[in-house]
Amino acid sequence: NAGVMQNPRHLVRRRGQEARLRCSPMKGHSHVYWYRQLPEEGLKFMVYLQKENIIDESGMPKERFSAEFPKEGPSILRIQQVVRGDSAAYFCASSPPTGGLNEQFFGPGTRLTVL
Amino acid sequence: KQEVTQIPAALSVPEGENLVLNCSFTDSAIYNLQWFRQDPGKGLTSLLLIQSSQREQTSGRLNASLDKSSGRSTLYIAASQPGDSATYLCAVKSDYKLSFGAGTTVTVRA
Repeated sequence: NAGVMQNPRHLVRRRGQEARLRCSPMKGHSHVYWYRQLPEEGLKFMVYLQKENIIDESGMPKERFSAEFPKEGPSILRIQQVVRGDSAAYFCASSPPTGGLNEQFFGPGTRLTVL
Repeated sequence: KQEVTQIPAALSVPEGENLVLNCSFTDSAIYNLQWFRQDPGKGLTSLLLIQSSQREQTSGRLNASLDKSSGRSTLYIAASQPGDSATYLCAVKSDYKLSFGAGTTVTVRA
């Protein structure tokens, strides 16, 4: 059973470009969470999604950031018009459909560098 | 809002010494607590998960305790090895999201 997959593992963008980060949850998992780890800081919750629904986006910056988890395909975290402060490691986690109280399994992360 | 604190921020010990890492949290209404290991530039490796109804969990040289009422958890690593050098993160699950501490960076000297 493959684990949580994220791609790309490393992404370099210039200021003003768009970044798209993808997350494929573990097989059978329909709950996805995104966390961000800024340099020298702890991981912070960004957004919680179920298939076709955003459940909680309280940790998302108000502008330029969006997330989706379509019926088919991976979850996408999209950052428009990136700035240097967006440089961070972005981790995705997934959990089973029996509820958000279960253990979350983490992917390897995508490291975004904004030049 | 759940706040998670890890003390100390950094720890350096000689090989063979036991490690004691502390985690405290402000809201005792949790579902579980998890300890992770993170190597530089790498992802998270789950070490131990303690459900709120449990007092401790053990895996090999690792033992984690949980005192939910006082908002504390301790990770013990016995007979440390240089390969244990990493950052250890504590994460608390309240509702559906994890709240992470800033981590304890451990260096085990050969």
